[in-house]
Amino acid sequence: QKEVEQDPGPLSVPEGAIVSLNCTYSNSAFQYFMWYRQYSRKGPELLMYTYSSGNKEDGRFTAQVDKSSKYISLFIRDSQPSDSATYLCAMSIYNTDKLIFGTGTRLQVFP
Amino acid sequence: DGGITQSPKYLFRKEGQNVTLSCEQNLNHDAMYWYRQDPGQGLRLIYYSQIVNDFQKGDIAEGYSVSREKKESFPLTVTSAQKNPTAFYLCASTMTGSSVTGELFFGEGSRLTVL
Repeated sequence: QKEVEQDPGPLSVPEGAIVSLNCTYSNSAFQYFMWYRQYSRKGPELLMYTYSSGNKEDGRFTAQVDKSSKYISLFIRDSQPSDSATYLCAMSIYNTDKLIFGTGTRLQVFP
Repeated sequence: DGGITQSPKYLFRKEGQNVTLSCEQNLNHDAMYWYRQDPGQGLRLIYYSQIVNDFQKGDIAEGYSVSREKKESFPLTVTSAQKNPTAFYLCASTMTGSSVTGELFFGEGSRLTVL
């Protein structure tokens, strides 16, 4: 079993839809959770960062962490074609640890 | 502008040849990383270094070598011993210390194709 599981997609949605991207993990010691966005043929860039449980909102993006279920989510409201990318979750136990990445979910938002 | 520069962006290699991928950062970050990305497998850690003249193997170090002679530079050599080197290679860096988030900053990547 992988430490972090993520559905690879692709997930195809119409413009304006609400998108839900998810990861599950097996190590209950994880405390730092991140979502990276990666456009085709580019390096990933940090989108959202959350420490421990709870929600965090930034514009159209909301990150949720449910440590009791070992489940994290990224919601995108009013999705745009420019959101089309691969979204990778990542997590670590300590902030100085190497990150453990999910495989990434490819999202396509069509006009 | 601060950032991470990887070169070359695209590289073709014949079987049996060693190649070196360059990674330079001007972010004054202490730690640097090399990842390999293959379809359906996510990012896999090859090597990382948290301080000059020191580095550690990641999960898939076999067939690769690195050096860290300067803080800003962390080149990766893909040797002929690497059985399946065709992949997208990503270099990353981060600050270290108790007050940081652990966010990784990535370069644009180098795509290596073995012919």
